[in-house]
Amino acid sequence: NAGVTQTPKFQVLKTGQSMTLQCAQDMNHNSMYWYRQDPGMGLRLIYYSASEGTTDKGEVPNGYNVSRLNKREFSLRLESAAPSQTSVYFCASGWTGSARGAFFGQGTRLTVV
Amino acid sequence: TQLLEQSPQFLSIQEGENLTVYCNSSSVFSSLQWYRQEPGEGPVLLVTVVTGGEVKKLKRLTFQFGDARKDSSLHITAAQPGDTGLYLCAGGPFNAGNMLTFGGGTRLMVKP
Repeated sequence: NAGVTQTPKFQVLKTGQSMTLQCAQDMNHNSMYWYRQDPGMGLRLIYYSASEGTTDKGEVPNGYNVSRLNKREFSLRLESAAPSQTSVYFCASGWTGSARGAFFGQGTRLTVV
Repeated sequence: TQLLEQSPQFLSIQEGENLTVYCNSSSVFSSLQWYRQEPGEGPVLLVTVVTGGEVKKLKRLTFQFGDARKDSSLHITAAQPGDTGLYLCAGGPFNAGNMLTFGGGTRLMVKP
């Protein structure tokens, strides 16, 4: 049971570099989410996708872009990384309507120096 | 300003004590969920409450959804060291599509 798989698990970037965080789920969920979690804090929603081909901004979308490649995959791209984007990034997936909850990946720990 | 406000932010108690964590909002939610997160891991869903006034029990944990669907509480009876972790509430506001927003979390430490 893979569930939600995120790659990479750790990444160090220099300011201004770009990278893409990958996420894939095998539970046939319609909805997928990207969150960031700063030390000692809750999760803040960056972008979400209700279905293949649709994406919506969350609470903190600036500096990020996303692609819902197909039903399984939802990627997060940082075009020009900044130190303020140092965080742990979590991908999640769930059934449409969110009433049944979301299932999370293990997270990507990103440091921008 | 977060849509969901949790209190307290931190709680340190002795094993065997009872505690309640609160999750409040000025907005109405279609449902509210509670998650528990351990260091280095993603959050894990504990329960979803859907109906106003609903009460759900999970062993020593009792979850309640407010009648107006704007708030929820988590009560732990006879806390154990294994309950230590970050407790997060989350929900989808009405008319917000599939958005799932989280509160700031309550960090619980239960000392033996």
